[in-house]
Amino acid sequence: NAGVTQTPKFRVLKTGQSMTLLCAQDMNHEYMYWYRQDPGMGLRLIHYSVGEGTTAKGEVPDGYNVSRLKKQNFLLGLESAAPSQTSVYFCASSVGDSYYYGYTFGSGTRLTVV
Amino acid sequence: LAKTTQPISMDSYEGQEVNITCSHNNIATNDYITWYQQFPSQGPRFIIQGYKTKVTNEVASLFIPADRKSSTLSLPRVSLSDTAVYYCLVGAGNMLTFGGGTRLMVKP
Repeated sequence: NAGVTQTPKFRVLKTGQSMTLLCAQDMNHEYMYWYRQDPGMGLRLIHYSVGEGTTAKGEVPDGYNVSRLKKQNFLLGLESAAPSQTSVYFCASSVGDSYYYGYTFGSGTRLTVV
Repeated sequence: LAKTTQPISMDSYEGQEVNITCSHNNIATNDYITWYQQFPSQGPRFIIQGYKTKVTNEVASLFIPADRKSSTLSLPRVSLSDTAVYYCLVGAGNMLTFGGGTRLMVKP
């Protein structure tokens, strides 16, 4: 049972390039999330999804887009990468109300934009 | 969402009990109190969750006073492997809000 898998684990982008981060979960969870974590800081919510075909904005959505075409996958896209998007990105999933059931997190994607 | 305040960092030694207190003065009636642990280069991991009084599992205990304006995570007999950042989260619903956390350093 893999849990939450993120690909790639590391990536270096040039300013203006685009890329997609993939999150896959095998726990049949309804809810999925994308967070970013900057050095020495807590996690900030970018976008989330409460089910297949749905997405919603979180705390810091600007510069990112997401899609949830299949229940098990949640994609995070950067259309035109900027140095301010250098961060570690974490995907998480939850079976239901995340405060009660808790999240399962992936191991993260370390992205550097130069 | 209730704001939480916890110490930025704490030091301890192997074998000691560690208590990390989180303050959440404006906690709402429906809010749960949840703690996560994060090791370097890993995603946070759910440790324990409670609503009131005391909760204990194989990893930690969570103490919540009657007014629920604070909570204390207790780690019994810590080891070097407990060195991590510990986050206190308070709320309800589908969006967890993480603060800065408490960086616990366990020394030999």
